[in-house]
Amino acid sequence: KAGVTQTPRYLIKTRGQQVTLSCSPISGHRSVSWYQQTPGQGLQFLFEYFSETQRNKGNFPGRFSGRQFSNSRSEMNVSTLELGDSALYLCASSLGQDLYEQYFGPGTRLTVT
Amino acid sequence: DQQVKQNSPSLSVQEGRISILNCDYTNSMFDYFLWYKKYPAEGPTFLISISSIKDKNEDGRFTVFLNKSAKHLSLHIVPSQPGDSAVYFCAARGAQKLVFGQGTRLTINP
Repeated sequence: KAGVTQTPRYLIKTRGQQVTLSCSPISGHRSVSWYQQTPGQGLQFLFEYFSETQRNKGNFPGRFSGRQFSNSRSEMNVSTLELGDSALYLCASSLGQDLYEQYFGPGTRLTVT
Repeated sequence: DQQVKQNSPSLSVQEGRISILNCDYTNSMFDYFLWYKKYPAEGPTFLISISSIKDKNEDGRFTVFLNKSAKHLSLHIVPSQPGDSAVYFCAARGAQKLVFGQGTRLTINP
């Protein structure tokens, strides 16, 4: 069974631009969560989707948004990029709603210049 | 506020010895705890978990201990191997989300 895939793997953007990251969960998984990882901050929870509904959202500004499609694939969008948005963005999928054993993708490394 | 804390950013252990990684939490409503391992350029990989109703869970060389009264959990790796060198994250589940610690970089020396 294929793992969680994320595209693109690397991205360089300029301040003020917007970006869309994509995540394809493991086949059959209906929950997709997004995290931001920065040095010294660990993984910060962004949001979680289950069956196309956002169930939970972390403490991030409204510039960060996401959605999930009927095939469980998910996208996250960051508008008006800031230098501080440079990070590794990780997507994780799990089978059900209980977040038991989330499986992570390799991440998208976003650099904002 | 950091609800899950890993106070040691790094740990160095000799091959064959025991590695002990620690994690503290503040929210008594967390009901499930997990450890993940992360290599560079890869996403975190699930290692082992423990329910809040237990105090120990073992899987091969990995054992997780939970002390609810102290709000503390630890991961023991015995014996430590070079391939265990990675960043380890503890996570706690509550309110339909996982809260992660900052991570501890474990280096196993030959």
